Amino acid sequence: QKEVEQNSGPLSVPEGAIASLNCTYSDRGSQSFFWYRQYSGKSPELIMFIYSNGDKEDGRFTAQLNKASQYVSLLIRDSQPSDSATYLCASSGGFKTIFGAGTRLFVKA
Amino acid sequence: GAVVSQHPSWVICKSGTSVKIECRSLDFQATTMFWYRQFPKQSLMLMATSNEGSKATYEQGVEKDKFLINHASLTLSTLTVTSAHPEDSSFYICSARTRQGDTEAFFGQGTRLTVV
Repeated sequence: QKEVEQNSGPLSVPEGAIASLNCTYSDRGSQSFFWYRQYSGKSPELIMFIYSNGDKEDGRFTAQLNKASQYVSLLIRDSQPSDSATYLCASSGGFKTIFGAGTRLFVKA
Repeated sequence: GAVVSQHPSWVICKSGTSVKIECRSLDFQATTMFWYRQFPKQSLMLMATSNEGSKATYEQGVEKDKFLINHASLTLSTLTVTSAHPEDSSFYICSARTRQGDTEAFFGQGTRLTVV
């Protein structure tokens, strides 16, 4: 059974702090990794994707991938209350995308 | 990014009736569309994958006769929940890929189905 594991949280951080979200995956054949943000009652929206080991930065977001450890993370710098949502980690081996259950993030003003 | 439109955004139906949900790719041709179901505080669970012009591939445990999927064109896929029951109440979400081999998918807005 291919799985993507995330800590359900909630993760609570003060406004302006760095939020660190983590994810592990079981399928070594996974090639692509995604972070989605999902607000309550809404569908997921793509934040970032990463294919290669190392870091990938986009604005306040940095995705990190370590294929040897089967580990993916998302850092959110200067967290804002509007970042409060559930963050879904997903992996794909080329066809199907497997989603984690998500981590709930609360950014306190 | 590409736009995927899902309709309706919410629907309430009586037990035993059928409900059709539409998923349209507005500005691209979607060779593959995916249908997910999400229960409260749970992850997205893939129900089926549909390719234009062919039968959908259902995930294990998903009843193909209950969840009818039609992907008649490169821009439209429909999911029909037949003989709906209260346990079918959930958030149904479609996603679409722009072309074969692409792993990035774009999500529709989702449909909240409540069966009473």
